[in-house]
Amino acid sequence: GEDVEQSLFLSVREGDSSVINCTYTDSSSTYLYWYKQEPGAGLQLLTYIFSNMDMKQDQRLTVLLNKKDKHLSLRIADTQTGDSAIYFCAESGGGNKLTFGTGTQLKVEL
Amino acid sequence: NAGVTQTPKFQVLKTGQSMTLQCAQDMNHEYMSWYRQDPGMGLRLIHYSVGAGITDQGEVPNGYNVSRSTTEDFPLRLLSAAPSQTSVYFCASSYQINAEKLFFGSGTQLSVL
Repeated sequence: GEDVEQSLFLSVREGDSSVINCTYTDSSSTYLYWYKQEPGAGLQLLTYIFSNMDMKQDQRLTVLLNKKDKHLSLRIADTQTGDSAIYFCAESGGGNKLTFGTGTQLKVEL
Repeated sequence: NAGVTQTPKFQVLKTGQSMTLQCAQDMNHEYMSWYRQDPGMGLRLIHYSVGAGITDQGEVPNGYNVSRSTTEDFPLRLLSAAPSQTSVYFCASSYQINAEKLFFGSGTQLSVL
């Protein structure tokens, strides 16, 4: 079945870039997503990339997709304390569910 | 525009009790779903619906029932609560007919003692 893996923790200094990585197994994924979850809140769709793209940039966010290696990354430039949250990678095969990773907790230190 | 609204935000139940978690969306989305979030396990799909009158099981449906009598509402029923159902529950919807670009509610934290 589908599987999505992420590292559990990442700590960066304010102003540095953060890179959160994800690997997935379903080669039929249509879209790949990054969601952000702040404490006590639901998941917020941060950005997504269509499976035939290899890069997408949206302000401070850059998504890179290596379809051959089934590797997705999210780069946050100039990381701020407000970026502290849990980031979930998710994949969809165009079906009726998203498969989520376990989430990466990003801690931004001053 | 309220988006996806879940109630209650917190609930404590005793083993064997039943209850209904409410979910409503005002975006006229056809697709709605319930996920549970457990530490170290990401989110897992419980049930989903692709329109009024249509529901189907996800990967962890046991112990839960759903119904979809209107486009707006998708309640999740726990029939006889068990400690293993202690979790955070999220409702999500999409304007597409499948699970793309989901909008999530703020969650219900459920403890079963």
